[in-house]
Amino acid sequence: DVKVTQSSRYLVKRTGEKVFLECVQDMDHENMFWYRQDPGLGLRLIYFSYDVKMKEKGDIPEGYSVSREKKERFSLILESASTNQTSMYLCASSLRGTVSGANVLTFGAGSRLTVL
Amino acid sequence: AQSVTQLDSHVSVSEGTPVLLRCNYSSSYSPSLFWYVQHPNKGLQLLLKYTSAATLVKGINGFEAEFKKSETSFHLTKPSAHMSDAAEYFCVVTTNTGGFKTIFGAGTRLFVKA
Repeated sequence: DVKVTQSSRYLVKRTGEKVFLECVQDMDHENMFWYRQDPGLGLRLIYFSYDVKMKEKGDIPEGYSVSREKKERFSLILESASTNQTSMYLCASSLRGTVSGANVLTFGAGSRLTVL
Repeated sequence: AQSVTQLDSHVSVSEGTPVLLRCNYSSSYSPSLFWYVQHPNKGLQLLLKYTSAATLVKGINGFEAEFKKSETSFHLTKPSAHMSDAAEYFCVVTTNTGGFKTIFGAGTRLFVKA
């Protein structure tokens, strides 16, 4: 019954390393999102995508990039990891929104990244 | 501009007593409102959703929330807490302003005592 899968639950990386976080959804959703979750700050949007090869910056894109080559897959890339990127990263997907209201987000289980 | 304020960072209740998690929002447009729950080391799961239909919304696991436009509130309630309700709860606002904008509250951690 898994719908949004994040490939790595726990990662430990060193400062300056390149980090890839992979997310795959099997619901044929148009929209995909990457959030960062930190205690007391809720979820903050890093990047999102409304279609294949399309990407839009969220509220905190600095230090991150994304790739969406296929509809079901959305990757988050940290080109040079830094200690302040230690966090929980959550991927989500949704159907394209309608005029009656936004559609529900379906989340993956999260990837906890520690940068030493 | 839109914003979401969860009025309590932590709430502690005894098992079998009512739960109240408070959420106020600010939005210039008609919002869609959501509550999500996150159990430890898990992703977020939808509890319930309001999108301008009935103002009292029923969700999973006995939770419900009432949309009060005059008070700009969307508080989450449950008549009787269960140990399995211990988790973090997020109030979320989405508006369509030519593109959907979603804002998450900071979260309320619910503790349930035996």
